[in-house]
Amino acid sequence: GENVEQHPSTLSVQEGDSAVIKCTYSDSASNYFPWYKQELGKRPQLIIDIRSNVGEKKDQRIAVTLNKTAKHFSLHITETQPEDSAVYFCAASQIGSNYKLTFGKGTLLTVNP
Amino acid sequence: DTEVTQTPKHLVMGMTNKKSLKCEQHMGHRAMYWYKQKAKKPPELMFVYSYEKLSINESVPSRFSPECPNSSLLNLHLHALQPEDSALYLCASSHETGEWAQHFGDGTRLSIL
Repeated sequence: GENVEQHPSTLSVQEGDSAVIKCTYSDSASNYFPWYKQELGKRPQLIIDIRSNVGEKKDQRIAVTLNKTAKHFSLHITETQPEDSAVYFCAASQIGSNYKLTFGKGTLLTVNP
Repeated sequence: DTEVTQTPKHLVMGMTNKKSLKCEQHMGHRAMYWYKQKAKKPPELMFVYSYEKLSINESVPSRFSPECPNSSLLNLHLHALQPEDSALYLCASSHETGEWAQHFGDGTRLSIL
């Protein structure tokens, strides 16, 4: 089955800096890659997603890049703010597994004021 | 705003009790999901319903019994749970299974005494 590795497990940045979280996946058949933000005690919230026919997608301060050849995708947050502090999960899904989402283990992002 | 509504928000039950978790969405989504999430871990898929039919059961113990009465509702019936079943139970929905964004509810925090 699919395996998703996520790094780093914790990331601390100063307000205004950029943050990058990287994920690699094992199955080249995976074709959909969402990113979720989960604040403490709250639900996972979809912040951005990308499909395998696209290399990059941007939404204001958030961007995701996908390298299908290397089987990795990354989340980029620019001009970080304290409210960006949360756990971020990447995920991948594939047709072969009935589109089951496989999650990475998460990255705890702390933005220091 | 949460478009997937879960009740109750909190549930404490003994190992011999029978209870049900409820999930409702009015977005016209035809895929609905149950996930289990332990502290500091990613969501773990339990069940997937597609067009009101069970399409994925991730080898979940029979003490968890899902039900999809109609396209808007999803239940999870609980019976004879174990202390290790204490977790946050999340419901999600998407337009269909596949490359569609999954939207999560706020979850039910379940504690087994």
